[in-house]
Amino acid sequence: LAKTTQPISMDSYEGQEVNITCSHNNIATNDYITWYQQFPSQGPRFIIQGYKTKVTNEVASLFIPADRKSSTLSLPRVSLSDTAVYYCLVGDIEGYSTLTFGKGTMLLVSP
Amino acid sequence: DVKVTQSSRYLVKRTGEKVFLECVQDMDHENMFWYRQDPGLGLRLIYFSYDVKMKEKGDIPEGYSVSREKKERFSLILESASTNQTSMYLCASSKGTSGSFAEQYFGPGTRLTVT
Repeated sequence: LAKTTQPISMDSYEGQEVNITCSHNNIATNDYITWYQQFPSQGPRFIIQGYKTKVTNEVASLFIPADRKSSTLSLPRVSLSDTAVYYCLVGDIEGYSTLTFGKGTMLLVSP
Repeated sequence: DVKVTQSSRYLVKRTGEKVFLECVQDMDHENMFWYRQDPGLGLRLIYFSYDVKMKEKGDIPEGYSVSREKKERFSLILESASTNQTSMYLCASSKGTSGSFAEQYFGPGTRLTVT
C-alpha cells in the first residue's frame, strides 16, 4: 500500500498560484494518483486524477514526473473559497480497499 | 447534479443503543462506502459495497455492520454504540465501471455523539 506524505499546512494569498506536492515513493505500477478537497463540515470532493505526465481540468492541474514518486496539485489564482483541506491518495483504482485518505494539507488563503 | 444524502446531520445516542445511519444516492452507482473521520486521523474506511447484498470490510470494521438491500441505499449499523464511536460518519458512492472507483461522491456527513 503506497504511503503518501504531504505538508500539513500551507498559506497563500488571493490571486496566487498554489502548488501542493505529495510524495509517494513506493507507488505501484497500477496505482493512480487522486486528489480530493474538503471544506469544513462537508464531505470530500473529487478534484482530479492522473497516472503520469500532466492532467488539467477546469479546477486544477496535476503534474506527475516520469518516476511517479511524487505529484503536484496546482491551483491557479486561488481565492478565499479555496481554503480547504487537500488530500492526496494513491491506489489501484480497480482495487476496492486501497484508497486511503491521509491527513491532508490545510490550505489557508488570505486576502 | 449528483447527490448523496445522509439521514441526519447530527445525532446523539446513549452507550449501548443500536444506531442506524442511512445513506441514499441518486446516481445509480454500484459502489457505496462508509468512512469515519476523526481529528488527526483523517478518513478511515469502515465498510464498502460493490453490489446489492454484497459487502467488504474496510480498515476499521470492528463494532460496525452494514446492510445494502437496494442499490441506492447503504446503511451503517452500530450494534451497541460506545463512546469511542463518537465521530463524523461519511457516506460515499462511485460508479462500478473500470477506473471509476477512485472518483467518489460524498454525502454531507453525520456527526454522531455517543454519551
